[in-house]
Formats: sequence, C-alpha cells, structure tokens
Amino acid sequence: GQQVMQIPQYQHVQEGEDFTTYCNSSTTLSNIQWYKQRPGGHPVFLIQLVKSGEVKKQKRLTFQFGEAKKNSSLHITATQTTDVGTYFCAGPRGQNFVFGPGTRLSVLP
Amino acid sequence: NAGVTQTPKFQVLKTGQSMTLQCAQDMNHNSMYWYRQDPGMGLRLIYYSASEGTTDKGEVPNGYNVSRLNKREFSLRLESAAPSQTSVYFCASSETGFLGDTQYFGPGTRLTVL
Repeated sequence: GQQVMQIPQYQHVQEGEDFTTYCNSSTTLSNIQWYKQRPGGHPVFLIQLVKSGEVKKQKRLTFQFGEAKKNSSLHITATQTTDVGTYFCAGPRGQNFVFGPGTRLSVLP
Repeated sequence: NAGVTQTPKFQVLKTGQSMTLQCAQDMNHNSMYWYRQDPGMGLRLIYYSASEGTTDKGEVPNGYNVSRLNKREFSLRLESAAPSQTSVYFCASSETGFLGDTQYFGPGTRLTVL
C-alpha cells in the first residue's frame, strides 16, 4: 500500500538555526497536509498543499510540494523554542489520510 | 466551542479487561476518526465514520469496535485489552470527510494495559 516516509526522525538545533523536514511518498499524491504536535499535546493542522510545485509560507515556516507530487518539505527559518514538537505530513489513501512517522524537533536555547 | 473532547484522559487496564473510550465534537462535523499513536510510528487509523450511521475499518482495526452513537459522538471499545494496545488514542473529526478536509484532534487518551 501507499506509504509516507519522513526524514529525519529526530533533529536537534540551536535556537536561531534553520530546520527542514522532508516527506516522501511511494505514490503520487493529490494533496498533502502538515500537522504539528507539541510534546504531550495533540496534532494540530498547519497547512494543505494541492498544486504541483506549490510553495506556501506561514511566518517563518515554508512548505513546498514537489513537482512530481511525491514529496514535500517543511522549512523553519531561525527556529525558536516555541517550534519544539513533532511535525507530521499526511497523504491521502483511499477515503482517508495516512500519516508519516513524524520528525521530532528539539530546540536548544 | 470545546471542539473535540475525549474521556478519560488516562486509563490503566489489566489484560482481558474491557473499556470504552468516549469522543464528542460540537462542530457539527460529519466525519469522525479514531487513531492510535505509538512511538516512532505516527498516527494509525483504527476506525472511521464518514457520516452518522456508518463506520468502516481503518489500518489497524483488530481488537477494537466502534459505535457512532449520533452525529456528535463516536466511541471506541476494547473488548479484551491486551498489552499491545498500550498507546495514546486520538479521536478526530472533519467537516465533510472528503480528502483535503482539515482534521481536528481531541486531547487524547493515554492507555496502559498491564
């Protein structure tokens, strides 16, 4: 079945450094969603990408959807301690979404 | 609006015991979902309900049953708990259930089976 993979699994950065997580699918995706989960919290929707090559920005976060619609990335510029958490991508499978395993981000002050 | 609520927040069971996890949403959403989250494995769909009166299996349905009691409530039942069911359980809802819909998650239930 369709799988969604994410790398890296963990990332430790110093506050102020940039961070990128990558999401890869074994099949072409019609769209992709990104969620953030703070430690001890629940996933919260960040954004959805639909178009090939699409780039969307939310303040310091930049989301990209690959030209082939099989990969996506989330880039955070100048990380802050509030960025700590696990970032998940989710791609459609049948009537539902399949989530990647997530990238856990730690930010050292 | 409370959004998606779940009860209980924490639960410890012994192997073989049964329990029901409750979920309710006040956003008038049509679709509801149950996920489990295990370390390093992301969220895996257990069951979902595309609309009131319908339920379908997700990726990991074995050992679970669900009931869509009404439009607001979607419960998950463990008939005979096993240690492999130790996990964090999240309920979610979405407006239409169509792909591209935002899913809103509840706070989760942390279940330990001894």
